[in-house]
Amino acid sequence: EAQVTQNPRYLITVTGKKLTVTCSQNMNHEYMSWYRQDPGLGLRQIYYSMNVEVTDKGDVPEGYKVSRKEKRNFPLILESPSPNQTSLYFCASRLVAGGLETQYFGPGTRLLVL
Amino acid sequence: AQTVTQSQPEMSVQEAETVTLSCTYDTSESDYYLFWYKQPPSRQMILVIRQEAYKQQNATENRFSVNFQKAAKSFSLKISDSQLGDAAMYFCLTQGGSEKLVFGKGTKLTVNP
Repeated sequence: EAQVTQNPRYLITVTGKKLTVTCSQNMNHEYMSWYRQDPGLGLRQIYYSMNVEVTDKGDVPEGYKVSRKEKRNFPLILESPSPNQTSLYFCASRLVAGGLETQYFGPGTRLLVL
Repeated sequence: AQTVTQSQPEMSVQEAETVTLSCTYDTSESDYYLFWYKQPPSRQMILVIRQEAYKQQNATENRFSVNFQKAAKSFSLKISDSQLGDAAMYFCLTQGGSEKLVFGKGTKLTVNP
């Protein structure tokens, strides 16, 4: 089954404790991205990657890091989480950059930073 | 910079009736795509319909259709014969050549039995 998986689905942590949210897709997609969803703000792009070793900032990259060492994985790293990073996070992937292909979304990771 | 505006934070419709959700956008891209996604209470993002900006013909997917007015930069979604399962948050988004997706803030649709 074609899918994007995220782990963990729910996470409660404390300020300053490094965490990683994993994202993996099994569709051999080139393009992957991370979004955060906050009430009243819709989804905002954090980072995206057009292929292995190619990443770029989205609209709200501050406080986040990403890496794309393998095509299927695109982890989101919060080196020192803060309460304003409490949010619902989505990973997504698409077949190729620049196309009209469907963007597949993961199920979301709900993060609470105390 | 690309922007997407959904002017209706909430909408409601009676089951079996028709509802239209509005979306306007602004982009400097010459080639771009437009999408509607729905997000039910499960929080999963589900593609509803998509439109290539260079195509004049409005996209249709079963009960869902769009009214794409390129000059006006308008991309509204019409849901016909509304069903209880259509209740969700609906997001309009653009995708330009810069690869960046820009989302509207969403419209919460309630379907009344």
